[in-house]
Amino acid sequence: SAVISQKPSRDICQRGTSLTIQCQVDSQVTMMFWYRQQPGQSLTLIATANQGSEATYESGFVIDKFPISRPNLTFSTLTVSNMSPEDSSIYLCSVGTGLNQPQHFGDGTRLSIL
Amino acid sequence: QQQVKQSPQSLIVQKGGISIINCAYENTAFDYFPWYQQFPGKGPALLIAIRPDVSEKKEGRFTISFNKSAKQFSLHIMDSQPGDSATYFCAASTASKLTFGTGTRLQVTL
Repeated sequence: SAVISQKPSRDICQRGTSLTIQCQVDSQVTMMFWYRQQPGQSLTLIATANQGSEATYESGFVIDKFPISRPNLTFSTLTVSNMSPEDSSIYLCSVGTGLNQPQHFGDGTRLSIL
Repeated sequence: QQQVKQSPQSLIVQKGGISIINCAYENTAFDYFPWYQQFPGKGPALLIAIRPDVSEKKEGRFTISFNKSAKQFSLHIMDSQPGDSATYFCAASTASKLTFGTGTRLQVTL
């Protein structure tokens, strides 16, 4: 399966600031997704990162708060904007090769907001 | 409804025993059902997956049983080992969007 690298692996940020998380894949993939996992909880899909067009956001997530870029088939970024303590979570990138094909996850970015 | 219900929340099994985790769903549009294993500090790793036209799939010590009419599926881990101690998530997918269960923390004791 694809090797997925996320940067940073963890960060501690101040309230009101923004952080951009990078997801790099070692091969071209059709689909890239961003998930949030709150401590000890399950995963929730934030959005589908679409190459060359605006991301598709799930209910409860908006572009102003979580802008996403996907300039090519191997790279995507998620920005968490104007952060508050409620944004403290693990943010995970996943990739898939096609419709309802296996999705594989990176190790995530552990984000704490003070 | 997109919810996937998972039980139990936690499970303690002796080494060599069988671990069983159950999931149920409502949305009949789901057409792909993976299971993920997650260790602390790591992302979820795909363990095994099934499509609804199959009632059972086995890979090594891991088996998925799928009951389409009941809208239920389960993971069986045979001969459970201490190295299997992790959190397990079931998931259901439609149009490649994964909806995850709440997770089961499995502890395998010696």
